[in-house]
Amino acid sequence: KQEVTQIPAALSVPEGENLVLNCSFTDSAIYNLQWFRQDPGKGLTSLLLIQSSQREQTSGRLNASLDKSSGRSTLYIAASQPGDSATYLCAVFNSNSGYALNFGKGTSLLVTP
Amino acid sequence: DAGITQSPRHKVTETGTPVTLRCHQTENHRYMYWYRQDPGHGLRLIHYSYGVKDTDKGEVSDGYSVSRSKTEDFLLTLESATSSQTSVYFCAIRPGSTGELFFGEGSRLTVL
Repeated sequence: KQEVTQIPAALSVPEGENLVLNCSFTDSAIYNLQWFRQDPGKGLTSLLLIQSSQREQTSGRLNASLDKSSGRSTLYIAASQPGDSATYLCAVFNSNSGYALNFGKGTSLLVTP
Repeated sequence: DAGITQSPRHKVTETGTPVTLRCHQTENHRYMYWYRQDPGHGLRLIHYSYGVKDTDKGEVSDGYSVSRSKTEDFLLTLESATSSQTSVYFCAIRPGSTGELFFGEGSRLTVL
């Protein structure tokens, strides 16, 4: 069974810092990996999707990398802002279970002014 | 906007009563999913559908049933709600071949 782990569980940084969120998974035979953002009481917003054949994806200040062989992904946030405060979720797409996503428990990020 | 609507958004019910949550999509995407989100557990798959009348179980399907009689609607039913089913329920769709999932805003269910 695919296990997805996110470290750290919570992170607090001052505004302007660059930061890295980590995601690891136990089964490297993935189809893709997706990063989400979730604000309190809200749904999940898709941030980046990395296909298994790709090494990284970028969107604005966000950069996600994927190393399938080591079972790791990182989400890099440049020049953090208070508006980046949210929970960030990593999810791995497997070919079984109807191509559903297996989720990590998330990293809760607080960016202080 | 992924075109997903969940209803109701909030519901309080009593133990033993039936509850149905609805997920509606504005397109005709084949794959639809129901997840629940609980503190300490993250998001877990309940059931999914890969077409009209085609459904299958996920990781935490006990106590839940689903139906999909139309492409655009995926219903989640708790036949007899229990307090352990108090949770936030999310519906998701998978529009294309990339595998990217898009989620609805969630339905918060409280079972007293």
